[in-house]
Amino acid sequence: DGGITQSPKYLFRKEGQNVTLSCEQNLNHDAMYWYRQDPGQGLRLIYYSQIVNDFQKGDIAEGYSVSREKKESFPLTVTSAQKNPTAFYLCASSMGRENQPQHFGDGTRLSIL
Amino acid sequence: RKEVEQDPGPFNVPEGATVAFNCTYSNSASQSFFWYRQDCRKEPKLLMSVYSSGNEDGRFTAQLNRASQYISLLIRDSKLSDSATYLCVVRGGFQKLVFGTGTRLLVSP
Repeated sequence: DGGITQSPKYLFRKEGQNVTLSCEQNLNHDAMYWYRQDPGQGLRLIYYSQIVNDFQKGDIAEGYSVSREKKESFPLTVTSAQKNPTAFYLCASSMGRENQPQHFGDGTRLSIL
Repeated sequence: RKEVEQDPGPFNVPEGATVAFNCTYSNSASQSFFWYRQDCRKEPKLLMSVYSSGNEDGRFTAQLNRASQYISLLIRDSKLSDSATYLCVVRGGFQKLVFGTGTRLLVSP
């Protein structure tokens, strides 16, 4: 089945720790995205990548890092510099063309221990 | 002013009712528009794209009004399974989608 797989579903971070969220897609999509969702707020863009080995900061990139070494994979690292990491993290992908919608993985819930 | 604004609701309707949501956007240069559905603690799922001439998919109808900068979603013959949060999404600059905070719909028996 084609789709976007995020792992883990639930993740707990200790103070001062970096954690990495996985996102893999087998849809052959060029573009991939990371969003954060907090209660009562819309999705906010963290980072996005339009092609392999290239990525751009979104609206709230501070405290996060990404890589795009393969077309299928776009991992997100939540660093210790992100002081309020508790949120629902969503990865998405799209064909990369102007009018194409994005499709989402089922998300990772990150909490502070 | 927020880039995309929605009434958070909740809209409480009985089964079989018709319900409509509006969403306003601030960027007149926006080119693409979508409605997504999000169930509690789940990922958003694409419901439908919104085309300039309006479009229909079964019980769902989407309209775009560029002059007034709003899009709408009409749901006819509401089902219990329609209970969810509906997200209005607007594409601004290249590849960047802006999400509304969503309108919550509760359909009761």
